[in-house]
Amino acid sequence: GESVGLHLPTLSVQEGDNSIINCAYSNSASDYFIWYKQESGKGPQFIIDIRSNMDKRQGQRVTVLLNKTVKHLSLQIAATQPGDSAVYFCAESSGSARQLTFGSGTQLTVLP
Amino acid sequence: NAGVMQNPRHLVRRRGQEARLRCSPMKGHSHVYWYRQLPEEGLKFMVYLQKENIIDESGMPKERFSAEFPKEGPSILRIQQVVRGDSAAYFCASSPFGLGGNEQFFGPGTRLTVL
Repeated sequence: GESVGLHLPTLSVQEGDNSIINCAYSNSASDYFIWYKQESGKGPQFIIDIRSNMDKRQGQRVTVLLNKTVKHLSLQIAATQPGDSAVYFCAESSGSARQLTFGSGTQLTVLP
Repeated sequence: NAGVMQNPRHLVRRRGQEARLRCSPMKGHSHVYWYRQLPEEGLKFMVYLQKENIIDESGMPKERFSAEFPKEGPSILRIQQVVRGDSAAYFCASSPFGLGGNEQFFGPGTRLTVL
């Protein structure tokens, strides 16, 4: 079936470096994508979203890139901080379906 | 503006008992979604409700699970005759669907442990 998956389960970066988290999706009808951050014991926290009519969107220290040709999504975090350590999930939805389909998550660890 | 609220935060049940999980959406949100998360996995969609209506329950097991979102009060996810495999974190999300897009805002979750 359709799925959203992540390339790497873990990512370790030095504090101050940039982080890139990747996500592949398989549903060609997906038209809305979200990145969530989940800290241990908490619910997912919205980071940034992007619609399929865009290929890039920027927020505060974060950028999401969408490549519809290869069905690839990435989250870039600039100047990674210790507070960025968490599991990051990509999620997508399509058409009239309102539920989100989540990937399996990437654990980001920021090293001092 | 308070966020999505869920209670209880932790729930312990013995096999065969019933579990009731409550979710109060953000103010102004009339769309509620329930997701289940197993350890070290992503969230899996269960059910999507609007006030007094189940819109999509394609992710919810046909037996023992039910959900409602009454005109007044919180949304309830009910699990009857719980089994150990029901142990998971259950998250509720709400959306201002119709006012801007597909953004879903999540509550802190209820962690269900079945003994």
